[in-house]
Amino acid sequence: AQSVTQLGSHVSVSEGALVLLRCNYSSSVPPYLFWYVQYPNQGLQLLLKYTSAATLVKGINGFEAEFKKSETSFHLTKPSAHMSDAAEYFCAVNGGTGKLIFGQGTTLQVKP
Amino acid sequence: DGGITQSPKYLFRKEGQNVTLSCEQNLNHDAMYWYRQDPGQGLRLIYYSQIVNDFQKGDIAEGYSVSREKKESFPLTVTSAQKNPTAFYLCASSTGTGLTNVLTFGAGSRLTVL
Repeated sequence: AQSVTQLGSHVSVSEGALVLLRCNYSSSVPPYLFWYVQYPNQGLQLLLKYTSAATLVKGINGFEAEFKKSETSFHLTKPSAHMSDAAEYFCAVNGGTGKLIFGQGTTLQVKP
Repeated sequence: DGGITQSPKYLFRKEGQNVTLSCEQNLNHDAMYWYRQDPGQGLRLIYYSQIVNDFQKGDIAEGYSVSREKKESFPLTVTSAQKNPTAFYLCASSTGTGLTNVLTFGAGSRLTVL
């Protein structure tokens, strides 16, 4: 069975600082992994996805994630945080038949 | 523009009442999903449908029901049997059910039981 664990329910960074949101996965088959972002009272928007073509995946808004099989990780990073990055971020793995299995979410706070 | 429309955005219900949340998509997607979101618990799958007139239970289907009579529509009924229905409900759709499948989400419906 597939699952994801997001380390840290809240992350706080200063504007301009590095953003690092952690995600570890468990999967009995080669995983397909995703990062989504959710702004308050809205739906989820895809940031990026890993589909085995490349281990370093670039997404929207300057975010990227690196798939590390040896560490079973898919951490999300951004070199310089903006105030507009404040949101909740979800890591997900494909659970078969198209459905996604989500982590608990990490709320990113960006301080001026 | 194509997308997913969920209504109502906010809904209040008295205990013991059934309520139906609407989800309509004009993306021509075959698959549709309902997720429930609670603080600190991420998103949990309630029901999903891969094709018209067919649907499967997700991880937390008890107390919910769905129908898929049209490709565009996948309404969710929260019944009185759902013990703790207050939550944010998200509908999603996708073109298929492959492993690289990307879900497109609606803006959500927030249900509060009084």
